[in-house]
Amino acid sequence: DQQVKQNSPSLSVQEGRISILNCDYTNSMFDYFLWYKKYPAEGPTFLISISSIKDKNEDGRFTVFLNKSAKHLSLHIVPSQPGDSAVYFCAASEGRRRDDKIIFGKGTRLHILP
Amino acid sequence: DTGVSQDPRHKITKRGQNVTFRCDPISEHNRLYWYRQTLGQGPEFLTYFQNEAQLEKSRLLSDRFSAERPKGSFSTLEIQRTEQGDSAMYLCASSFSGTGLHEQYFGPGTRLTVT
Repeated sequence: DQQVKQNSPSLSVQEGRISILNCDYTNSMFDYFLWYKKYPAEGPTFLISISSIKDKNEDGRFTVFLNKSAKHLSLHIVPSQPGDSAVYFCAASEGRRRDDKIIFGKGTRLHILP
Repeated sequence: DTGVSQDPRHKITKRGQNVTFRCDPISEHNRLYWYRQTLGQGPEFLTYFQNEAQLEKSRLLSDRFSAERPKGSFSTLEIQRTEQGDSAMYLCASSFSGTGLHEQYFGPGTRLTVT
């Protein structure tokens, strides 16, 4: 049972435009959400996170929005750059757990077109 | 700070052989995690350590798998009697529990191919 779902396996966006990556979750106990970026032959790299007490977190070109009632979050990248082409994983954890175990989605491959 | 390192980066082995992977976490991190990633999937949790104590194991971790973190620093993951289904990327991550944050920092992974 997928607790974190990324329903778009891939997404293509023109360079300079906005990239929007979506993620849904089913576990209402999740209260901390993360996005990771992965290049081929490398491990995932932490990008940005958000606590459930917030509905938006911004870091440079990256903004994550959280809609708790819909159990939905999204990552916005503005403007998109060629180096943003990668696989993006949405992930979640239950803050009350002591182990900080992270549950990952299957990922969305983002292609930035020239 | 050199980040999380893993060795080897690639391992090809024949079915039935034993393999061992090593992970060196970020030095001040007290938590260490092992994940497995197969094609088209996100990383799946296998086990984690706080200092030298192994505190949780996933049901994905069969009896053929064992992990250690003897001195609370580096960790090893051993797979005995490898099977073709063990072919995957094995990822190690570390974090520090004292920050109240939940970010884990990953190594480059060890890609295992069982022939």
